[in-house]
Amino acid sequence: ETGVTQTPRHLVMGMTNKKSLKCEQHLGHNAMYWYKQSAKKPLELMFVYNFKEQTENNSVPSRFSPECPNSSHLFLHLHTLQPEDSALYLCASSQGGSKETQYFGPGTRLLVL
Amino acid sequence: SQQGEEDPQALSIQEGENATMNCSYKTSINNLQWYRQNSGRGLVHLILIRSNEREKHSGRLRVTLDTSKKSSSLLITASRAADTASYFCATDMGGAQKLVFGQGTRLTINP
Repeated sequence: ETGVTQTPRHLVMGMTNKKSLKCEQHLGHNAMYWYKQSAKKPLELMFVYNFKEQTENNSVPSRFSPECPNSSHLFLHLHTLQPEDSALYLCASSQGGSKETQYFGPGTRLLVL
Repeated sequence: SQQGEEDPQALSIQEGENATMNCSYKTSINNLQWYRQNSGRGLVHLILIRSNEREKHSGRLRVTLDTSKKSSSLLITASRAADTASYFCATDMGGAQKLVFGQGTRLTINP
C-alpha cells in the first residue's frame, strides 16, 4: 500500500459514455498527478496539480477533464473517448515539487469500446 | 524524444544471479529516480539519487550515476522471483517541473 488509492480498478465504457476516475491520497502531499500508460509507450504525464491549482496540462485532449477539489482528491472526468484512449491510468502524489519522489496508486485499467 | 532510455528492454536471468539495468538521458538533471512496476499495477519508488551523488544503496539495490556520461545503472544483487517486474528510470530534465519516464526494462527472474 502506497497511501494512494484509485477507483474503479477496471472500467469498460462506450464512446458515448461519461465516467469519472477517482484518486485519493492519505499522505498529506500537496501535489497530485494523472499519468497515462499505454502498451509499448513510456509513461505519459497528463495533468499536475499543486495545492489544488493545475500547473501542467500536457496537451491532453479536452475529452479528459481533471478536477481537484482539495489536496487529497483528484478526479479525471471522461467523455466521448476513443478506443485509442484505452490504457492504464495512474494517479500519483508527492510532497514538494514534481521532481521529488512520487507515490503511485494501483491504476485504473480503462477499455473503450 | 524521451529523456530517459533504459537498456536492455528485456532481461531474463536465473534466481540468485545479479541483474544490471542501465538508463541514459539527454539533458542535465537535478536527480534521477528508479521505480518498479509489477504487471498492471502502479509504480513503486525504489531509489532517488541526486546529481551530486555517485552511488547509493538500498538493501539489495545499488544505483550509480555518472553525470559526465549522462547515465545511471541499477544493480539488483542475489535476485529473487519476486523481483520479476518492469523497472523504470525517471529524470527531472533540469529546470522542468515534471518527471519524465523511460520505456522501462522488463526483468524476468527464472526459478
